[in-house]
Amino acid sequence: SQQGEEDPQALSIQEGENATMNCSYKTSINNLQWYRQNSGRGLVHLILIRSNEREKHSGRLRVTLDTSKKSSSLLITASRAADTASYFCAPTAMDSSYKLIFGSGTRLLVRP
Amino acid sequence: GAGVSQSPSNKVTEKGKDVELRCDPISGHTALYWYRQSLGQGLEFLIYFQGNSAPDKSGLPSDRFSAERTGGSVSTLTIQRTQQEDSAVYLCASSLQWGTNEKLFFGSGTQLSVL
Repeated sequence: SQQGEEDPQALSIQEGENATMNCSYKTSINNLQWYRQNSGRGLVHLILIRSNEREKHSGRLRVTLDTSKKSSSLLITASRAADTASYFCAPTAMDSSYKLIFGSGTRLLVRP
Repeated sequence: GAGVSQSPSNKVTEKGKDVELRCDPISGHTALYWYRQSLGQGLEFLIYFQGNSAPDKSGLPSDRFSAERTGGSVSTLTIQRTQQEDSAVYLCASSLQWGTNEKLFFGSGTQLSVL
């Protein structure tokens, strides 16, 4: 199993701006998932990108994956105050695909 | 139920007491996970169930922590002789089955405070 490391730790932007969060990991993966957490409670799955995919879209979310650099990014376009949350990436390692290990996350604040 | 249900949502206990935290996964989900999150921190993996068996208990912090799952459904996480450092949000998640490409569905957690 492995843990993704999110960067930056905290991000503050104005409503309407785009937010970009990055995730780095260490070993080969099957896929990488992004989750959102509001108010320190349950996480909500946002998007899953497989190791053979380079980019994926879901509404205002765009995720990229660069396996050569072992990194992923999550872009939220036209941010809203409701996007304020913590965002976590979870890479799924090839050797223990059942277990998701989460890092410390990026805390996003969208100012109205 | 429609989602993962955890109870209680909040638990305040005194140091040294035992506590039981309950998780009802989504019906039909065979995989179940427990995580712990301390204030402002990431999630710490505790244990994973496939059906009623726990192939991976590697994250349980000490022998004061135990978990079981019965009927392939409800799971209980028990903390004996609680300590102040056990204070955290305990999150349960389930997924349809074991394996890669499975997304987790989380409950809202139990906030445990040990005084």
